[in-house]
Amino acid sequence: AQSVTQLDSQVPVFEEAPVELRCNYSSSVSVYLFWYVQYPNQGLQLLLKYLSGSTLVESINGFEAEFNKSQTSFHLRKPSVHISDTAEYFCAVSDTNAGKSTFGDGTTLTVKP
Amino acid sequence: GAGVSQSPRYKVTKRGQDVTLRCDPISSHATLYWYQQALGQGPEFLTYFNYEAQPDKSGLPSDRFSAERPEGSISTLTIQRTEQRDSAMYRCASSSGVGAGETQYFGPGTRLLVL
Repeated sequence: AQSVTQLDSQVPVFEEAPVELRCNYSSSVSVYLFWYVQYPNQGLQLLLKYLSGSTLVESINGFEAEFNKSQTSFHLRKPSVHISDTAEYFCAVSDTNAGKSTFGDGTTLTVKP
Repeated sequence: GAGVSQSPRYKVTKRGQDVTLRCDPISSHATLYWYQQALGQGPEFLTYFNYEAQPDKSGLPSDRFSAERPEGSISTLTIQRTEQRDSAMYRCASSSGVGAGETQYFGPGTRLLVL
């Protein structure tokens, strides 16, 4: 069985400040890791994913996440956030042998001016 | 189509009624997933299809829940004899392949409220 824990349900930050959204997972097998974002009144969309290779993965809008196998973490970071980054962020893990994903309960990022 | 669509977007029903939710995936996508998302929680896997085959329905919470994808395209999720605990957002996603690393593209969801 696998599980995902997102340690913060709400993260308020000021515009241009750095942010880290934490994600820890547990699994008995190899996994793929994902971050999804849900903007207000929209569906979930993929932000970035780790499959293999370099442990640092980046998105097109400045977010990055680092896979840390020893700490079973996949924290999401951005050095300077914008108002438009306000959204709910979900961390997810998939067993490499199966298609279904297990999601965390989400972190609501609120960027204030 | 251009993206995953779901209908209806909102459904209010009375306890004991049956409801059917529809998902229209991206046209070229082989794999279709259904998730249930309770308020304040992340999506929870219900079932998935690879074309018309349904290899895994382990997440369906009871035998009142069933899903179909008869022609390997549009899928329906039916909940019989709805209960208040079935109130949730139901999300559909599709991906081009069945591998665990495939990107899933989500629809807008159907919010179900059982009174």
